[in-house]
This record gives sequence, C-alpha cells and structure tokens, in this order.
Amino acid sequence: KQEVTQIPAALSVPEGENLVLNCSFTDSAIYNLQWFRQDPGKGLTSLLLIQSSQREQTSGRLNASLDKSSGRSTLYIAASQPGDSATYLCAVTTSGSRLTFGEGTQLTVNP
Amino acid sequence: DAGVIQSPRHEVTEMGQEVTLRCKPISGHDYLFWYRQTMMRGLELLIYFNNNVPIDDSGMPEDRFSAKMPNASFSTLKIQPSEPRDSAVYFCASSLTSGSPDTQYFGPGTRLTVL
Repeated sequence: KQEVTQIPAALSVPEGENLVLNCSFTDSAIYNLQWFRQDPGKGLTSLLLIQSSQREQTSGRLNASLDKSSGRSTLYIAASQPGDSATYLCAVTTSGSRLTFGEGTQLTVNP
Repeated sequence: DAGVIQSPRHEVTEMGQEVTLRCKPISGHDYLFWYRQTMMRGLELLIYFNNNVPIDDSGMPEDRFSAKMPNASFSTLKIQPSEPRDSAVYFCASSLTSGSPDTQYFGPGTRLTVL
C-alpha cells in the first residue's frame, strides 16, 4: 500500500526566505506526483505536476523535483511571501487514477 | 468555465438522517472523484468514475455510503444513515484524462457535520 509522508508538518518563516518542503513515498511505481495548495476552508489547487519520467517542474517562484528511485520529492519556494501561507499537499498517482495524499505541511510566512 | 461545483457548501444534520452531496464536474471531463478529508485520516479517495461508470469504490467506508453518476454533468454521494464519525469535508474533483498527464481539479468541498 502506497504511503506518502510530508516533513515538516508545520513551518513558520519570515517573509523573503527561500524554503523547501519534503515529500516521500513508499512505492516508486508512480505515474506522476503533484503538489497542491489548500487555503483554509477551501478546496485544493494544483501547483505542479511532475511525470514519472521527469526530474523537475517549475512555475514562477516554485520548483518541484522528483527522485522516483529514492521515493522523494521536494517543493522549493523562492522569496516567500505572506500570500504563500497555506497548507501544501503532495500526492502521487499509482494504479489507475488513484491519488494518495500526504498529510500536508502547514506553511506560515510572517511579514 | 466555473470549475467543479459542489452543493451544499455546508450541511448540518442529525445522526440517522440521510445526507446527499452533489457535484457538477467541469464540462468535458470524463473522470470524477469523491474524496473525504478529516484531521485524523487526511484526504482519502472514496470512489471514482470514468464516463459515468464507477471504476474503483474500494475507498467507500461501508454500505451506508453510495455514489451515483447518472450523466456526465452530475454526481451524488449519499450517506444513509449518517453517523457523527461521518463528519468531514467531502471534495469532488474531475479530470480530463486518467493519471498522466492531466491533473485533477477540485471543488470547494462540502463541510458535513453530523450531530
């Protein structure tokens, strides 16, 4: 059974800092890995999707990497802003279209 | 496009009552997913449909839960009878293709409270 773990569970940083969120998964037989953002009381918004054959994806200040063989992914946020405050969820797609989520990292960026 | 639409946004009911949650996927998407989010268990996939047909319902917790998709633009998740432990946020998501390469688009969720 696929298990996804995210570290740290919570992170508080001052505005402007670069930061890294970590995700690990137990079964390397994945189709893709996604990073989502969830704001309080809201649904999930997809940030980046990395195919199993890819090593990284970038969107603006966000960069996600994937090391499938070691079962790890990182989400790098450059020059963090208070508007980045949210919960970040990592999810992997395994058999069929089944998404398995981590428990998330709650990020607070302080002005 | 308006995105994935869910109703109601909030539902408060008493134990034993029937609850019906509704979802309208993004037009043209042929996959629809129902998830449940709780503090204890995080986000869990309950069931998903492809072209209105249930493909994987292994996440449905028990027989009290049922889901239907009578057409490409509408799905329901029903709980009968409801119990306090069903209290959670229920999300619906849709996607254009399975797994790779497309992503799932989530609705705003329905917050269910069973008293």
